[in-house]
Amino acid sequence: QVTLRESGPALVKPTQTLTLTCTFSGFSLSTSEMCVSWIRQPPGKALEWLARIDWDDDKYYNTSLRTRLTISKDTSKNQVVLTMTNLDPVDTATYYCARMPHYHGAFDIWGQGTVVTVSS
Amino acid sequence: IVMTQSPATLSVSPGERATLSCRASQSVSNNLAWYQQKPGQAPRLLIYGASTRATGIPARFSGSGSGTEFTLTISSLQSEDFAVYYCQQYNNWPPETFGQGTKVEI
Repeated sequence: QVTLRESGPALVKPTQTLTLTCTFSGFSLSTSEMCVSWIRQPPGKALEWLARIDWDDDKYYNTSLRTRLTISKDTSKNQVVLTMTNLDPVDTATYYCARMPHYHGAFDIWGQGTVVTVSS
Repeated sequence: IVMTQSPATLSVSPGERATLSCRASQSVSNNLAWYQQKPGQAPRLLIYGASTRATGIPARFSGSGSGTEFTLTISSLQSEDFAVYYCQQYNNWPPETFGQGTKVEI
């Protein structure tokens, strides 16, 4: 069974750095053609793709947020980590990680999401 | 690529057919997915490759289209189908862009 679970702080102050961890099971990011993305959703709004890391360690970022994002993986722990710098209240959202099989390109399994509020 | 969904809200009675549209600002070939999201839940993949149902998705969900025009059809709405539906292109990335969603309500 494939599962993903996001973890991280629920409340972050403006200008601080956010670190989110996606812990997954049921697949490998080291040998299979799998990818993991981070996607966020502000309250009542649409989904926004943030970043992706592939099994071969290729990394891709939303160009509008590129300077603030870093994605990495720890294959020994089955984790993908996203850091976002210089947080602003507009970054308040539910943050999801999702698996993407490279062979079909859609997000087939999602975590339950973690709510992050940016406020002083 | 900008994905535009219509209508924003679709009011349908149980048992009726629902047709949701998604338009891409440029061709995405058949690299389009549809997701269903219920309140407080993560999105769930329904359709990928424009017309292939994901594992476990009922046959009443069908997708069609290619290029810039796509349709998600729910043949006979069940109570559990009332939700928000998003389309997403993965042809030209980054970024992999989503539409703004269509809410299907009773």
